[in-house]
Amino acid sequence: AQSVTQPDIHITVSEGASLELRCNYSYGATPYLFWYVQSPGQGLQLLLKYFSGDTLVQGIKGFEAEFKRSQSSFNLRKPSVHWSDAAEYFCAVGARSNDYKLSFGAGTTVTVRA
Amino acid sequence: DTGVSQNPRHKITKRGQNVTFRCDPISEHNRLYWYRQTLGQGPEFLTYFQNEAQLEKSRLLSDRFSAERPKGSFSTLEIQRTEQGDSAMYLCASSLVGLALNTGELFFGEGSRLTVL
Repeated sequence: AQSVTQPDIHITVSEGASLELRCNYSYGATPYLFWYVQSPGQGLQLLLKYFSGDTLVQGIKGFEAEFKRSQSSFNLRKPSVHWSDAAEYFCAVGARSNDYKLSFGAGTTVTVRA
Repeated sequence: DTGVSQNPRHKITKRGQNVTFRCDPISEHNRLYWYRQTLGQGPEFLTYFQNEAQLEKSRLLSDRFSAERPKGSFSTLEIQRTEQGDSAMYLCASSLVGLALNTGELFFGEGSRLTVL
């Protein structure tokens, strides 16, 4: 079965500082990996996705993520955080062999301080 | 607006009542998913459809829950005899899966928040 672990429940970062959110997945085959962001009371918006090829993927809002197969990780990064980045971030894993159903981590809440 | 639409956005009901949520997916999408999200947790898979066929139901989906997608377009999720533990955000998502490169990307609606008193 596929699963996702986000080790950090809550991260506080200063505006303008860098941000890294950790994601570890468990899946035997090549996974499809996603990062979604959710603002309070809203649905999920896709930030970026990885299927194959270049292991460093660029997303919207200045985010990027790196797939490391040897570490089963897909960490999300942003060089300089803006106050509007305060939200909850979810890592998700899917696979063609599992008919593309996504499994989500528990999420990391990001607070941005001025 | 061509995104995924969910109604109602908020529903407050008394324990024991029935509730129904509706999801209108992106029009060309053949897959439709229902997820449930409780406070502080990530979305949990409930069920999904390929066109009008329901392909799988999670063990989370008790007999009180039923989902339909009668014409392969919109879907409804009905909860009968609601319990306080049903209080959650119910998220609908859609995707396009076919012979070409499948990304598996889900497009989510804004969710329907259920509060059972």
